[in-house]
Amino acid sequence: EADIYQTPRYLVIGTGKKITLECSQTMGHDKMYWYQQDPGMELHLIHYSYGVNSTEKGDLSSESTVSRIRTEHFPLTLESARPSHTSQYLCASSDQSYNEQFFGPGTRLTVL
Amino acid sequence: AQTVTQSQPEMSVQEAETVTLSCTYDTSESDYYLFWYKQPPSRQMILVIRQEAYKQQNATENRFSVNFQKAAKSFSLKISDSQLGDAAMYFCAYNAGNMLTFGGGTRLMVKP
Repeated sequence: EADIYQTPRYLVIGTGKKITLECSQTMGHDKMYWYQQDPGMELHLIHYSYGVNSTEKGDLSSESTVSRIRTEHFPLTLESARPSHTSQYLCASSDQSYNEQFFGPGTRLTVL
Repeated sequence: AQTVTQSQPEMSVQEAETVTLSCTYDTSESDYYLFWYKQPPSRQMILVIRQEAYKQQNATENRFSVNFQKAAKSFSLKISDSQLGDAAMYFCAYNAGNMLTFGGGTRLMVKP
């Protein structure tokens, strides 16, 4: 079944650790996105990609980095986590027809 | 730059009643798409309904319908026969290219 997956769903980690949030989709979409969202608040675009080897920064400045080596995979990395990175991170992909975005379940990150 | 405004941070509705969520947007484009997304507590963001700007007919999906007023740049969501499962954050979104611009969200509470 075509879907979009994120792991881990929950992560609690100490300050200074390096973390990678995984996002994979089996929908065959070229476009993928990362959003940051505090609970019950609006979404902020932090990274996007239009295809393999294409990555761009979004509207909200973020210390995270992304890579797109395979079409289906779009991981997000924080080299040194800080408490200010505590948030929910949503991954999405979109089709070509309506540019409707499909969202993963999210990763809730807590940095102590 | 496009902006999307949801003027109601919170709304409540009695079960089985009807509620309307407001959304306005600002754009100079003539061809674009509008979406309503639903984000239940701790659950995945899903698409509720989509409207193409070139279509005058308002979109409808079962109990969900929109009132699209292109000249007024208004895109409200009507939920009929509200159910407990409709309780969620609702986000209005605009797309004229590759990006979605989201509103700040409306939290809908459904009273039994």
